[in-house]
Amino acid sequence: KAGVTQTPRYLIKTRGQQVTLSCSPISGHRSVSWYQQTPGQGLQFLFEYFSETQRNKGNFPGRFSGRQFSNSRSEMNVSTLELGDSALYLCASSLVGQGVDEQFFGPGTRLTVL
Amino acid sequence: AQSVAQPEDQVNVAEGNPLTVKCTYSVSGNPYLFWYVQYPNRGLQFLLKYITGDNLVKGSYGFEAEFNKSQTSFHLKKPSALVSDSALYFCAVRDVGNDYKLSFGAGTTVTVRA
Repeated sequence: KAGVTQTPRYLIKTRGQQVTLSCSPISGHRSVSWYQQTPGQGLQFLFEYFSETQRNKGNFPGRFSGRQFSNSRSEMNVSTLELGDSALYLCASSLVGQGVDEQFFGPGTRLTVL
Repeated sequence: AQSVAQPEDQVNVAEGNPLTVKCTYSVSGNPYLFWYVQYPNRGLQFLLKYITGDNLVKGSYGFEAEFNKSQTSFHLKKPSALVSDSALYFCAVRDVGNDYKLSFGAGTTVTVRA
């Protein structure tokens, strides 16, 4: 069974631009979560989607948004990029989320904002 | 509010010695507890989880963890560490009483020297 895939793996953008990251969950998984990982802040939860609905949201500004499609694939968008948005963005999928099932993580997208 | 604390930023052990990575948590309801490991330039990998039942849970790669409700701890252990265990370890808790939100600790870097 294929794992969680994220595209692109690396991105370089400049301040003020916007970016869209993509995540394909493991087949059959309906929950997709997004995390931001930085050396200073660690792993921070962005949001979780289940059946195309946002179920939980972390403490990030409105510039960070996401969506989930009917095939459970998910995209994350960051508008008006800031230098502090440079980070590794991780996507994780699980069967139903919010419960006992563990999350399976993708390799991440490394975003660098110049 | 919920939180996860990993009191040690780094743990250094010699190969063959026991390895312990500490984790304490604070939740409003019952916790679902997880351990993940991250190797350089990779996403997180699931190691083990505690949901209910036996306080000692066994996971991948010879790791185990003990749930201690009175001390609100979930320490990760391995009887005999390997050099290949060198990685970044994250403890995570899902708070059943708080909309199942998932929080990660700051991570502990484990270095096993030959």
